[in-house]
Amino acid sequence: DTAVSQTPKYLVTQMGNDKSIKCEQNLGHDTMYWYKQDSKKFLKIMFSYNNKELIINETVPNRFSPKSPDKAHLNLHINSLELGDSAVYFCASSQRDNGYTFGSGTRLTVV
Amino acid sequence: SQQGEEDPQALSIQEGENATMNCSYKTSINNLQWYRQNSGRGLVHLILIRSNEREKHSGRLRVTLDTSKKSSSLLITASRAADTASYFCAWGANAGKSTFGDGTTLTVKP
Repeated sequence: DTAVSQTPKYLVTQMGNDKSIKCEQNLGHDTMYWYKQDSKKFLKIMFSYNNKELIINETVPNRFSPKSPDKAHLNLHINSLELGDSAVYFCASSQRDNGYTFGSGTRLTVV
Repeated sequence: SQQGEEDPQALSIQEGENATMNCSYKTSINNLQWYRQNSGRGLVHLILIRSNEREKHSGRLRVTLDTSKKSSSLLITASRAADTASYFCAWGANAGKSTFGDGTTLTVKP
């Protein structure tokens, strides 16, 4: 049983397209996150939801829109993809401040 | 990084040796976490130390925290080739948000 699963694992798409990444956790955690890891492995938080409510929204272009239909799911939709969006996107979940459980990542390549 | 850093950026050792990685941060924290990331994989939570703790152990891992110096260290004893990975610290100031360091790439040669 995968605790935090995200799909797809790989995503190759052309500039200007719209794409979505899905994330689900079966840990019963209240909080879910999206992190972006760039080519230098720097990890930066993008969004966080607690019980379906947006609690963290870092400086991210409006082209990125998270959606949490319930506390077990947090999806990320990206409009008008740009070359600079190429990165690995990680979903994670946590319960209070007990550390994160990460998904295996989605490698997005924009060509 | 403006938020903190890890050093060294890269560390190469022989199997059986100990590996020490350091993390410094700039804010007040509630806890500090260490993660491992194998190449092409997600991050795996290793250990969490709270701001009122000074040292914590888990198997071959030993983490220290000095809040007066705003620093933490991760020691891996008797390293193995399988320990080869990138190691990240992350510090949590508010519930639900942690900031990650830049990572240390550890190579353990057999």
